[in-house]
Amino acid sequence: QQQVKQSPQSLIVQKGGISIINCAYENTAFDYFPWYQQFPGKGPALLIAIRPDVSEKKEGRFTISFNKSAKQFSLHIMDSQPGDSATYFCAASKVSGGGADGLTFGKGTHLIIQP
Amino acid sequence: GAGVSQSPRYKVAKRGQDVALRCDPISGHVSLFWYQQALGQGPEFLTYFQNEAQLDKSGLPSDRFFAERPEGSVSTLKIQRTQQEDSAVYLCASSAGQLSTDTQYFGPGTRLTVL
Repeated sequence: QQQVKQSPQSLIVQKGGISIINCAYENTAFDYFPWYQQFPGKGPALLIAIRPDVSEKKEGRFTISFNKSAKQFSLHIMDSQPGDSATYFCAASKVSGGGADGLTFGKGTHLIIQP
Repeated sequence: GAGVSQSPRYKVAKRGQDVALRCDPISGHVSLFWYQQALGQGPEFLTYFQNEAQLDKSGLPSDRFFAERPEGSVSTLKIQRTQQEDSAVYLCASSAGQLSTDTQYFGPGTRLTVL
């Protein structure tokens, strides 16, 4: 059972355009939703994260939109640049009092920004 | 400062051999996670340590997988009697605190190939 579904699998965007990646989750116990960026041969690195008490969070060119009722969240990359070309993963976890929870990741989106 | 380091970066094993993968977390980080990332997939959670205590090992795929963090710093993931399906990148991550919302910093991973 895939608990976090991510789409599209791959995405090509022109430089300066908006890249949009979507995720949907099934487990209503999830309440922390980070996005990670991964370059070839490297480990994932946190890009931006959101809790469900807000519907949107913006950091620079990166925005997360969150729809709790639909159990969906998305990453928007504004003014996409060739350096943004990477694989992006959405993830989710539960926030509990008994220690940290491992992240449940989507399958990833391979993003290519064409110059 | 130094990030999370992992060794070896690459490991080739013959089917049936035992392997040990090492993770050096960021100094002082309380939480340590292991993930398995198959080719073209998102990381999958294996196990979680809070200091030296293994609080969650629900993601370990079989009893051939064993992890330890005896002094609450360096961790080792051991796989006994390796199988071809164990071929993957094994990622280690650490975080400063014990909350799910604490940023997980990933190492570059160990690529294990089982022949």
